[in-house]
Amino acid sequence: DAKTTQPPSMDCAEGRAANLPCNHSTISGNEYVYWYRQIHSQGPQYIIHGLKNNETNEMASLIITEDRKSSTLILPHATLRDTAVYYCIVRERSNDYKLSFGAGTTVTVRA
Amino acid sequence: SAVISQKPSRDICQRGTSLTIQCQVDSQVTMMFWYRQQPGQSLTLIATANQGSEATYESGFVIDKFPISRPNLTFSTLTVSNMSPEDSSIYLCSVERRNGYTFGSGTRLTVV
Repeated sequence: DAKTTQPPSMDCAEGRAANLPCNHSTISGNEYVYWYRQIHSQGPQYIIHGLKNNETNEMASLIITEDRKSSTLILPHATLRDTAVYYCIVRERSNDYKLSFGAGTTVTVRA
Repeated sequence: SAVISQKPSRDICQRGTSLTIQCQVDSQVTMMFWYRQQPGQSLTLIATANQGSEATYESGFVIDKFPISRPNLTFSTLTVSNMSPEDSSIYLCSVERRNGYTFGSGTRLTVV
Protein backbone atom coordinates (compact mmCIF):
# COMPACT_ATOMS: atom_id res chain seq x y z
CA ASP A 1 0.00 0.00 0.00
CA ALA A 2 1.29 3.43 -0.90
CA LYS A 3 2.11 5.45 2.19
CA THR A 4 2.84 8.69 0.35
CA THR A 5 1.28 10.65 -2.48
CA GLN A 6 3.30 12.94 -4.72
CA PRO A 7 2.48 14.79 -7.93
CA PRO A 8 3.87 12.88 -10.90
CA SER A 9 5.78 15.82 -12.32
CA MET A 10 6.60 19.48 -11.93
CA ASP A 11 8.66 22.12 -13.68
CA CYS A 12 10.61 24.88 -12.04
CA ALA A 13 12.80 27.72 -13.20
CA GLU A 14 16.52 27.72 -12.68
CA GLY A 15 17.53 29.90 -9.74
CA ARG A 16 14.09 29.83 -8.16
CA ALA A 17 12.99 27.79 -5.17
CA ALA A 18 11.41 24.42 -5.93
CA ASN A 19 8.70 23.29 -3.51
CA LEU A 20 7.91 19.58 -3.70
CA PRO A 21 4.79 18.45 -1.83
CA CYS A 22 4.15 15.05 -0.29
CA ASN A 23 1.04 13.75 1.44
CA HIS A 24 1.39 11.07 4.10
CA SER A 25 -1.95 11.21 5.89
CA THR A 26 -1.58 7.75 7.51
CA ILE A 27 1.85 8.40 9.00
CA SER A 28 2.30 6.98 12.48
CA GLY A 29 3.95 8.67 15.41
CA ASN A 30 7.29 6.90 15.08
CA GLU A 31 7.64 7.12 11.29
CA TYR A 32 10.13 9.50 9.78
CA VAL A 33 9.80 11.31 6.47
CA TYR A 34 12.74 10.71 4.13
CA TRP A 35 13.51 12.33 0.81
CA TYR A 36 15.71 10.82 -1.87
CA ARG A 37 16.35 11.77 -5.44
CA GLN A 38 17.50 9.83 -8.47
CA ILE A 39 19.30 11.61 -11.22
CA HIS A 40 19.11 9.82 -14.55
CA SER A 41 21.32 6.71 -14.74
CA GLN A 42 22.42 6.99 -11.12
CA GLY A 43 21.42 5.32 -7.85
CA PRO A 44 19.13 7.20 -5.46
CA GLN A 45 20.76 9.87 -3.32
CA TYR A 46 19.75 10.72 0.24
CA ILE A 47 18.61 14.34 0.66
CA ILE A 48 17.12 14.88 4.08
CA HIS A 49 14.82 13.38 6.70
CA GLY A 50 12.74 14.53 9.66
CA LEU A 51 10.28 13.40 12.30
CA LYS A 52 8.23 16.46 13.24
CA ASN A 53 10.52 19.47 13.30
CA ASN A 54 11.56 21.32 10.20
CA GLU A 55 15.03 20.37 9.02
CA THR A 56 17.65 22.06 6.87
CA ASN A 57 20.94 20.89 5.45
CA GLU A 58 23.26 21.94 2.66
CA MET A 59 20.99 20.43 0.03
CA ALA A 60 17.45 21.29 1.04
CA SER A 61 14.89 22.17 3.69
CA LEU A 62 12.10 19.93 4.90
CA ILE A 63 8.91 21.47 6.22
CA ILE A 64 6.56 19.08 8.03
CA THR A 65 3.05 20.23 8.94
CA GLU A 66 2.05 20.26 12.58
CA ASP A 67 -0.30 17.29 12.12
CA ARG A 68 2.51 15.52 10.17
CA LYS A 69 0.12 14.53 7.40
CA SER A 70 2.09 16.31 4.74
CA SER A 71 5.50 17.77 4.08
CA THR A 72 7.32 19.93 1.56
CA LEU A 73 10.85 19.57 0.31
CA ILE A 74 12.36 22.91 -0.64
CA LEU A 75 15.31 23.25 -2.99
CA PRO A 76 16.19 26.89 -2.32
CA HIS A 77 17.89 27.74 -5.61
CA ALA A 78 17.20 25.08 -8.19
CA THR A 79 19.88 24.37 -10.78
CA LEU A 80 19.77 22.30 -13.95
CA ARG A 81 21.60 19.55 -12.05
CA ASP A 82 18.62 19.24 -9.70
CA THR A 83 16.59 17.70 -12.51
CA ALA A 84 15.71 14.26 -11.11
CA VAL A 85 12.99 12.03 -9.73
CA TYR A 86 12.32 12.93 -6.09
CA TYR A 87 10.98 10.28 -3.73
CA CYS A 88 9.18 10.95 -0.45
CA ILE A 89 9.27 7.90 1.84
CA VAL A 90 7.95 7.28 5.34
CA ARG A 91 9.43 4.60 7.52
CA GLU A 92 10.14 3.70 11.08
CA ARG A 93 13.73 4.23 11.89
CA SER A 94 14.12 1.55 14.46
CA ASN A 95 12.32 -1.51 13.16
CA ASP A 96 11.36 -1.34 9.54
CA TYR A 97 14.62 -1.22 7.67
CA LYS A 98 12.97 -1.41 4.29
CA LEU A 99 12.69 1.55 1.97
CA SER A 100 9.52 1.41 -0.10
CA PHE A 101 9.75 3.65 -3.14
CA GLY A 102 6.65 5.11 -4.70
CA ALA A 103 6.49 6.66 -8.15
CA GLY A 104 8.05 9.93 -7.02
CA THR A 105 7.90 13.37 -8.64
CA THR A 106 9.84 14.00 -11.82
CA VAL A 107 11.26 17.49 -11.42
CA THR A 108 12.53 19.30 -14.48
CA VAL A 109 14.51 22.48 -13.90
CA ARG A 110 14.41 24.75 -16.93
CA ALA A 111 16.83 27.52 -17.81
CA SER B 1 28.41 8.16 3.30
CA ALA B 2 29.62 4.68 2.44
CA VAL B 3 31.27 4.13 -0.89
CA ILE B 4 29.67 1.31 -2.83
CA SER B 5 31.30 -0.26 -5.86
CA GLN B 6 29.04 -2.28 -8.08
CA LYS B 7 30.16 -4.46 -11.00
CA PRO B 8 29.48 -4.75 -13.83
CA SER B 9 28.01 -1.34 -14.58
CA ARG B 10 26.16 -2.76 -17.55
CA ASP B 11 25.89 -5.95 -19.53
CA ILE B 12 24.02 -7.44 -22.46
CA CYS B 13 23.22 -11.11 -21.95
CA GLN B 14 21.64 -13.90 -23.90
CA ARG B 15 18.36 -15.33 -22.64
CA GLY B 16 18.77 -18.50 -20.62
CA THR B 17 22.12 -17.47 -19.18
CA SER B 18 22.92 -16.11 -15.70
CA LEU B 19 24.70 -12.97 -14.55
CA THR B 20 26.29 -12.36 -11.17
CA ILE B 21 26.44 -8.79 -9.92
CA GLN B 22 28.95 -7.81 -7.27
CA CYS B 23 28.59 -5.17 -4.59
CA GLN B 24 31.57 -4.05 -2.49
CA VAL B 25 31.22 -1.62 0.42
CA ASP B 26 34.12 0.33 1.89
CA SER B 27 33.10 -0.43 5.49
CA GLN B 28 31.45 -3.28 7.37
CA VAL B 29 27.67 -3.31 7.34
CA THR B 30 25.15 -5.70 8.83
CA MET B 31 22.57 -5.67 6.09
CA MET B 32 22.85 -5.15 2.36
CA PHE B 33 19.85 -4.65 0.15
CA TRP B 34 19.24 -5.52 -3.49
CA TYR B 35 16.75 -3.56 -5.59
CA ARG B 36 15.45 -3.83 -9.12
CA GLN B 37 14.34 -0.90 -11.23
CA GLN B 38 12.48 -1.89 -14.37
CA PRO B 39 12.45 0.54 -17.30
CA GLY B 40 10.50 3.68 -16.43
CA GLN B 41 9.57 2.34 -13.01
CA SER B 42 10.47 2.99 -9.42
CA LEU B 43 12.71 0.80 -7.28
CA THR B 44 11.48 -2.51 -5.89
CA LEU B 45 13.26 -4.33 -3.08
CA ILE B 46 14.31 -7.85 -4.08
CA ALA B 47 15.90 -9.10 -0.88
CA THR B 48 17.90 -8.29 2.21
CA ALA B 49 21.24 -10.00 2.67
CA ASN B 50 22.62 -10.59 6.15
CA GLN B 51 26.10 -11.95 6.66
CA GLY B 52 26.06 -15.56 7.76
CA SER B 53 22.41 -16.27 7.08
CA GLU B 54 19.99 -16.84 4.24
CA ALA B 55 18.76 -13.77 2.44
CA THR B 56 15.23 -12.61 3.09
CA TYR B 57 13.23 -12.25 -0.11
CA GLU B 58 10.31 -9.94 -0.78
CA SER B 59 7.02 -11.13 -2.18
CA GLY B 60 7.39 -12.03 -5.84
CA PHE B 61 11.09 -12.82 -5.66
CA VAL B 62 12.53 -16.31 -5.06
CA ILE B 63 15.94 -17.65 -4.25
CA ASP B 64 16.11 -19.92 -7.29
CA LYS B 65 15.78 -16.95 -9.60
CA PHE B 66 17.85 -14.44 -7.59
CA PRO B 67 20.38 -16.32 -5.45
CA ILE B 68 22.34 -14.05 -3.14
CA SER B 69 25.63 -14.57 -1.39
CA ARG B 70 26.93 -12.61 1.58
CA PRO B 71 30.33 -14.10 2.46
CA ASN B 72 31.47 -11.20 4.68
CA LEU B 73 30.43 -7.83 6.05
CA THR B 74 31.61 -5.80 3.05
CA PHE B 75 30.57 -7.87 0.05
CA SER B 76 27.51 -9.41 -1.57
CA THR B 77 26.52 -10.85 -4.92
CA LEU B 78 23.17 -11.12 -6.66
CA THR B 79 22.75 -13.62 -9.48
CA VAL B 80 20.00 -13.25 -12.05
CA SER B 81 19.41 -16.80 -13.23
CA ASN B 82 17.98 -18.21 -16.43
CA MET B 83 17.44 -14.73 -17.77
CA SER B 84 14.62 -13.64 -20.02
CA PRO B 85 14.00 -10.24 -21.64
CA GLU B 86 11.67 -9.41 -18.73
CA ASP B 87 14.72 -9.35 -16.46
CA SER B 88 16.08 -6.34 -18.32
CA SER B 89 16.38 -3.78 -15.54
CA ILE B 90 18.77 -1.81 -13.42
CA TYR B 91 19.87 -3.74 -10.34
CA LEU B 92 21.14 -1.74 -7.37
CA CYS B 93 22.65 -2.61 -4.02
CA SER B 94 22.24 -0.44 -0.98
CA VAL B 95 23.38 -0.18 2.63
CA GLU B 96 21.98 1.75 5.55
CA ARG B 97 24.03 4.54 7.03
CA ARG B 98 23.35 6.75 10.04
CA ASN B 99 21.21 9.25 8.19
CA GLY B 100 19.84 7.15 5.40
CA TYR B 101 20.66 4.67 2.71
CA THR B 102 23.52 4.80 0.23
CA PHE B 103 23.06 3.19 -3.16
CA GLY B 104 25.47 1.83 -5.69
CA SER B 105 25.40 3.25 -9.19
CA GLY B 106 23.58 0.18 -10.44
CA THR B 107 24.02 -2.54 -13.04
CA ARG B 108 22.08 -1.97 -16.24
CA LEU B 109 21.14 -5.39 -17.60
CA THR B 110 19.75 -5.99 -21.06
CA VAL B 111 18.64 -9.51 -21.95
CA VAL B 112 18.35 -10.30 -25.64
